Amino acid sequence: GAVVSQHPSWVICKSGTSVKIECRSLDFQATTMFWYRQFPKQSLMLMATSNEGSKATYEQGVEKDKFLINHASLTLSTLTVTSAHPEDSSFYICSARARPGLPNEQFFGPGTRLTVL
Amino acid sequence: GENVEQHPSTLSVQEGDSAVIKCTYSDSASNYFPWYKQELGKGPQLIIDIRSNVGEKKDQRIAVTLNKTAKHFSLHITETQPEDSAVYFCAASREGSSASKIIFGSGTRLSIRP
Repeated sequence: GAVVSQHPSWVICKSGTSVKIECRSLDFQATTMFWYRQFPKQSLMLMATSNEGSKATYEQGVEKDKFLINHASLTLSTLTVTSAHPEDSSFYICSARARPGLPNEQFFGPGTRLTVL
Repeated sequence: GENVEQHPSTLSVQEGDSAVIKCTYSDSASNYFPWYKQELGKGPQLIIDIRSNVGEKKDQRIAVTLNKTAKHFSLHITETQPEDSAVYFCAASREGSSASKIIFGSGTRLSIRP
């Protein structure tokens, strides 16, 4: 149980285009989903927290107009990187939590590698 | 803000020996401490976690200890095997808060020498 999937697993795009990444909880309903970015040989950096049906909460320094997050259902959250540039190339990972607060286990997706040319 | 420090950044041990990774946290209200294993090109996988009401937890070859007073916790892997080679992350969070988020350490790259 507690499986989280991401699609696509990797994507290459041209500078200036937009890319959408999907995160799905396959066997549970996720009240909260998290989006992380991970640069090579670095830790996971939280970008934003999204609760189903409400606006995402972005971490300091993350541009909400550039990284659009939609959490339209209890099993799906999407991250859209708008007008992508080479510096946005990274490994994007989502996670999902079944219930708010307690317990706090998050289940992580396999990640999406974005390369912007 | 909250911070989690992790040491060492790289660790190489002989197969069969033990490996220890240590972390400290700054937020005294943290009460949930998960450990994740990340293999190359994959997302992190939870391998063990501990809550602040216990001092030690063990699952086969993996154990975690927690010292709330000193605000540090450690991961112990015994009888290491080649498949243990990966990057390990410690983390801390406040369980019970709807706004809680997980703060990750910087990671330890563990290599098991055959």
